[in-house]
Amino acid sequence: DAGVTQSPTHLIKTRGQQVTLRCSPKSGHDTVSWYQQALGQGPQFIFQYYEEEERQRGNFPDRFSGHQFPNYSSELNVNALLLGDSALYLCASSSDRVTGELFFGEGSRLTVL
Amino acid sequence: SQQGEEDPQALSIQEGENATMNCSYKTSINNLQWYRQNSGRGLVHLILIRSNEREKHSGRLRVTLDTSKKSSSLLITASRAADTASYFCATSGGGRALTFGSGTRLQVQP
Repeated sequence: DAGVTQSPTHLIKTRGQQVTLRCSPKSGHDTVSWYQQALGQGPQFIFQYYEEEERQRGNFPDRFSGHQFPNYSSELNVNALLLGDSALYLCASSSDRVTGELFFGEGSRLTVL
Repeated sequence: SQQGEEDPQALSIQEGENATMNCSYKTSINNLQWYRQNSGRGLVHLILIRSNEREKHSGRLRVTLDTSKKSSSLLITASRAADTASYFCATSGGGRALTFGSGTRLQVQP
């Protein structure tokens, strides 16, 4: 049973560019959440997708957008990249029927130069 | 912004010793969870304690929750070198997002 998979694992972009990160949830999960983790900090909630809609959003600008597909996989898009967007982006999946633990992928490490 | 703070920020102990990490949070919660993260990798769920529970055990882990003080502690008994990692508490309130603390970096010396 595959867990949460994310791609790419590492990428380097320059300021002003756009990036798309991808996530496949754990089998049986229908909810995907995205978190940003700056170096030395705890993860911060970006948004959550359920039934192909953004259900909840954290304190992130509109440059951060997402999508969930019918197979429950998800994308995170970030436009007009800033140096401060450099971070580990974590995808977490869960089942809407179960309140509790999140299952995290290994993350995508984004470096903005 | 972070909901809570872990204390200490860093902890170094010898194998076989116990490690205690504390977490404080600010708002009312439905549950509190602890996660572990090996360097630069994904987080792994360790244990969840609900707001109406005071203590919970899982293997070598013991978690306590004091909602009146808005604090929790994680005890790892008989630590091993493999326990070296960062540990985060995360709270769940009325919404579905988890709010994480800033973490405790645990180093277990063999």
